[in-house]
Amino acid sequence: DAKTTQPPSMDCAEGRAANLPCNHSTISGNEYVYWYRQIHSQGPQYIIHGLKNNETNEMASLIITEDRKSSTLILPHATLRDTAVYYCIVRVAGSARQLTFGSGTQLTVLP
Amino acid sequence: DVKVTQSSRYLVKRTGEKVFLECVQDMDHENMFWYRQDPGLGLRLIYFSYDVKMKEKGDIPEGYSVSREKKERFSLILESASTNQTSMYLCASSHTGTSAALAKNIQYFGAGTRLSVL
Repeated sequence: DAKTTQPPSMDCAEGRAANLPCNHSTISGNEYVYWYRQIHSQGPQYIIHGLKNNETNEMASLIITEDRKSSTLILPHATLRDTAVYYCIVRVAGSARQLTFGSGTQLTVLP
Repeated sequence: DVKVTQSSRYLVKRTGEKVFLECVQDMDHENMFWYRQDPGLGLRLIYFSYDVKMKEKGDIPEGYSVSREKKERFSLILESASTNQTSMYLCASSHTGTSAALAKNIQYFGAGTRLSVL
């Protein structure tokens, strides 16, 4: 799996958009970008994934640059419940292998 | 929604006890995983199963065993609990797909079991 780099922490005001960046400059053509998050003392939760097109679901949007070397997860209207560690992972789809999380970004949503 | 249910959120056991952690998923997933998560060490895979009665060792299988008698259930067994097995245990499941729709191979996690061995 390609290596990813994320900022260790970010703050966001409640109700504002939270934009979480991820660099994955060594990504290969068949690797997808996945985002998970882990709220304190809970199991990780899948958020969204994409290959090269921008993606949106009920939780978030994923913007992938044209060269695929970086991406941004957008939480359009952050709430206090979005406070969590967010992990960006790059891996080949269809792989049944274990997940490996890096350090992630601690997002704190402030009231 | 996919649901992965772990039998206990918190457990306290004594050293030397046999401990069973149960995990059930309701989405007919082929793959199931047991991880432990410790501060500063991230997620570490203990065991993995890709089918009923099949299992593979992960990175840290010592002191653990697993059982998968039914597709929906994957059990982690600590044969003789030790204090260094105090940890957060996470179960996950995923599809193995060959079609594009299933190729995403997302892992769905349970809420976790925080085990303390005294």
